Amino acid sequence: DTAVSQTPKYLVTQMGNDKSIKCEQNLGHDTMYWYKQDSKKFLKIMFSYNNKELIINETVPNRFSPKSPDKAHLNLHINSLELGDSAVYFCASSQVSGAGTDTQYFGPGTRLTVL
Amino acid sequence: AQSVTQLDSQVPVFEEAPVELRCNYSSSVSVYLFWYVQYPNQGLQLLLKYLSGSTLVKGINGFEAEFNKSQTSFHLRKPSVHISDTAEYFCAVSKINKFYFGSGTKLNVKP
Repeated sequence: DTAVSQTPKYLVTQMGNDKSIKCEQNLGHDTMYWYKQDSKKFLKIMFSYNNKELIINETVPNRFSPKSPDKAHLNLHINSLELGDSAVYFCASSQVSGAGTDTQYFGPGTRLTVL
Repeated sequence: AQSVTQLDSQVPVFEEAPVELRCNYSSSVSVYLFWYVQYPNQGLQLLLKYLSGSTLVKGINGFEAEFNKSQTSFHLRKPSVHISDTAEYFCAVSKINKFYFGSGTKLNVKP
């Protein structure tokens, strides 16, 4: 009964490969997010979706493409992986969007290592 | 642009001692303030948040934080820590649903 789940937990791959990370929330929330946490622990928002619609798209290379098939799922596809993509990627969700007051619920993270 | 500064990357403390984790933010407009905790190999979870009203906010696990507008600070405190409080703590501000996180403070509670 995990609230926000991500798969896989660990992902090790070669440069140039394409990979996907999946996220699901069972909280009934309308908004989902992807964050990237680098080796210095900085956590930076990448994307946000509200009811399957993209609402935040930070300065992220277009090799990263989020997809939301329904409001409970937000997947992240990465093309042509680079060494600098190595990080922990967190999915999160919140009930509503727009006010910035809502608590975000985070998944356990996916540690991506690009060799 | 918003920025969040957590001045201490690591804070070692003995069990049952008090602790303060510092957070300063820069913003020319009103923001909402949050503290999240990340236990090893887990995602972040909310400790407490300040939206409005009383500047002293109480959260889970005995933590509290005080919003100081003049000093643009939101320091986190606990009067007596436990071994189980060992974790990474993140301060965050939000504005129009964009969240900006600090770089985290690792709290290491020693027996």
